[in-house]
Amino acid sequence: QVQLQQWGAGLLKPTETLSLICAVHGGSLDGFYWSWIRQSPGKGLEWIGEISHSGSTNYNPSLKSRVSILLDTSKNQFALNLTSVTAADTAVYYCARDWGLSWFDPWGQGTLVTVSS
Amino acid sequence: EIVLTQSPDFQSVTPKEKVTITCRASQNIGVSLHWYQHKADQSPKLLIKYGSQSFSGVPSRFSGSGSGTDFTLTINSLEAEDAATYYCHQSFSVPLTFGGGTKVEIK
Repeated sequence: QVQLQQWGAGLLKPTETLSLICAVHGGSLDGFYWSWIRQSPGKGLEWIGEISHSGSTNYNPSLKSRVSILLDTSKNQFALNLTSVTAADTAVYYCARDWGLSWFDPWGQGTLVTVSS
Repeated sequence: EIVLTQSPDFQSVTPKEKVTITCRASQNIGVSLHWYQHKADQSPKLLIKYGSQSFSGVPSRFSGSGSGTDFTLTINSLEAEDAATYYCHQSFSVPLTFGGGTKVEIK
């Protein structure tokens, strides 16, 4: 059974870069897409972007200029970088396996990232 | 971008009652619509995929229907553990989008 474990810095200052990693346990990166999704306080879910097992990416246009999603096949991990963060980027960030223009399952445990000066 | 509009935003329900949540897409998305349950301090969990296919391990009281632009999630005989926020999600086109959520409270 595939499980996702994620981690990264939880407190950032404005203009810093958000970096999170998601490790895939019990399965391979092959054959799937891997997504990042966030939930701002009191709001709904927002898809950030995805990367395929071959490294091709799709990003939400609302974040595209600041986002990069990377793959590390040697470690069975993928990562999210979001540059120039502001308070509006404060959210719980989730990684998830994306079955390729299909559903998300499973999800990581979530990481709260707070942006504050 | 495909916009998903869920209704209602909030529902307070007595145990054993039936709950119906709707999700309307801004354009035809076929059956590329999935439903999740999100409890506080947990990760979202997949309930229904492709409009009506129950995901493995999901209790049979959860069911989905619909195609095109109109979809429904039904919870038959609500149980206390079903208190959560429910989201629809479309995978028809990028950017992938979610509905605004429906919070279900147990009376």
